[in-house]
Amino acid sequence: EAEVAQSPRYKITEKSQAVAFWCDPISGHATLYWYRQILGQGPELLVQFQDESVVDDSQLPKDRFSAERLKGVDSTLKIQPAELGDSAMYLCASRPSVGLKETQYFGPGTRLLVL
Amino acid sequence: GESVGLHLPTLSVQEGDNSIINCAYSNSASDYFIWYKQESGKGPQFIIDIRSNMDKRQGQRVTVLLNKTVKHLSLQIAATQPGDSAVYFCAENYPLSGSARQLTFGSGTQLTVLP
Repeated sequence: EAEVAQSPRYKITEKSQAVAFWCDPISGHATLYWYRQILGQGPELLVQFQDESVVDDSQLPKDRFSAERLKGVDSTLKIQPAELGDSAMYLCASRPSVGLKETQYFGPGTRLLVL
Repeated sequence: GESVGLHLPTLSVQEGDNSIINCAYSNSASDYFIWYKQESGKGPQFIIDIRSNMDKRQGQRVTVLLNKTVKHLSLQIAATQPGDSAVYFCAENYPLSGSARQLTFGSGTQLTVLP
């Protein structure tokens, strides 16, 4: 069964450093999402892509976060500089395309710890 | 803003009993609802979904009930097993502009199955 791939699975960094997370969605899925999940809470959307275009990045802290999906396939989420409050699980999800009943499929996440 | 919330943060049930997890939503534009299961260290896993034009949907050992009048969603798990222990999130899905859609998660319920 096809899955969303994410790497790395775990990342420890010091504050003010730069970090990057990678996501490879399920093949053929046009829509890709990045979420942040703080321990004990539900995932919160950071950015949504339709193919290579950003559809919604209203919740992305653009002063330090950036996301790209240059060829409309895999995607990278970057944080620079990282802050202590960025410690969380970063989840990537994808769904096929348009349509109501196209649920999102999640990857295993990248757990970030900022020291 | 509008959000999805859960009534109970934790739920403990005996193995073999039925479990009921409740959820309240507030976005009247939401037309599609999903229950996700998240095990420790993993991404959310799709369990079951329901459209707003339905009030009940059954899967394998799981049933979702939707009451649009009071904006309430519930997940019923029959004959709960130890492998059902996890955090359960309800999520509401609503349209944005064009073909884009957004998924908003509640804060989750921790289900613990007792031997």
